[in-house]
This record gives sequence, C-alpha cells and structure tokens, in this order.
Amino acid sequence: DAGVTQSPTHLIKTRGQQVTLRCSPKSGHDTVSWYQQALGQGPQFIFQYYEEEERQRGNFPDRFSGHQFPNYSSELNVNALLLGDSALYLCASSFSRGAECFGPGTRLTVL
Amino acid sequence: DQQVKQNSPSLSVQEGRISILNCDYTNSMFDYFLWYKKYPAEGPTFLISISSIKDKNEDGRFTVFLNKSAKHLSLHIVPSQPGDSAVYFCAAKVTGNQFYFGTGTSLTVIP
Repeated sequence: DAGVTQSPTHLIKTRGQQVTLRCSPKSGHDTVSWYQQALGQGPQFIFQYYEEEERQRGNFPDRFSGHQFPNYSSELNVNALLLGDSALYLCASSFSRGAECFGPGTRLTVL
Repeated sequence: DQQVKQNSPSLSVQEGRISILNCDYTNSMFDYFLWYKKYPAEGPTFLISISSIKDKNEDGRFTVFLNKSAKHLSLHIVPSQPGDSAVYFCAAKVTGNQFYFGTGTSLTVIP
C-alpha cells in the first residue's frame, strides 16, 4: 500500500515563472493538505482540500492555488514565483480530519 | 505568529538514556497534539498523538505528556537508540482546523 506520493522530487524555476506540484494521497484518505517548509522552519499550512473544494487556507497569498480531483489527488500551483518561494513543499493526506501522513516533499528552488 | 514553539533547536543524548523534547504553545483552544519525526530527504512521519482530555499517552518507548495549565507538551524516548536520531516536530490544532507546527528539534543519539 503506497503512502503519499509527490512529484516531482526536485524543481528549479526562475523568478516570475509558474509551477505545478502534484500529490497522490494515501489509499483510503480523502483530505489533502499542502505545507511549505522553509529551511530551518517547521511546516507552514498553505491550504486543505476536501471533496474537491478548498476547506481551509493559511496565511498565503492568492499566488498559491490548488485543486483536488475526484480521485482525491491534488495539485498545488504557484504563480509569479519569488525567490522566497524556495522551500520544501509537503503534501499530507488524512481521513476525516485524523492524523496526517506526509509525502517526501518537492524541493523547489527559485533562481 | 508562532503558536507552537520548540525552543531547543538541537539535543544530544547518549544511547540508552532518556531523550526529552519540549514544546510550548500559546493557543489554549488547541485540543489535539502530535509529534512527528523527520529524517533527511523524507517527509515527516507520525509518531504519537494526544488529545487534550488526557495528560499522558504511551506507545512503546515513546511517551507524550501534556500540561494544559502550562501549555506545555513533551516527548520522552526511553531508552534512546541511534536510529532515533532525526528532527522532531510537535504540532497542535483545534479540532476541525489546521495544524500548527513548531520549528523542530534535531535529536542526535550518540552510540
């Protein structure tokens, strides 16, 4: 039984570009959350998707958007990339607000 | 606004001894707390949780203590093993809302 998977593992972009990160939740999980983890920091909540809708959102600008598909997989989109967007992006899945299982993350570098 | 704080960025412990990792929080409404362990190049792995109706939860070598009056959470690992060397994050939430993570404590268990 695969856990949470994320793609790609690493990504390099330049300022102003757009990026899409992908996440497949653990089997049986219906809720997907995205987190940004900057170097030396804990994960910061971006938003959570449930039933294909954004259920909660953290303190991130509108440049950060997402989507959840009928199979519960999810995408995180970031527009107009800034240098400060360089971070590890973590996807976590859960079932009905339980403890979250994290994927390995996508390391985004913005040059 | 850091609602969950881990004031010790690192901790070194001799193998076989007790490791105590600490976490403080500011939001008295938090009612669910977790500890995650993170190895390099991997996502955080759920370790143990506790709800606010309890003050202690034990799972093998891992015990989490909750002191609600002090808004303090601690994780005890007894006995510590070299494989426990990792970064430990505490997280807290109000049920139905997002998780807030601390900045992590890097534990090194010396053989």
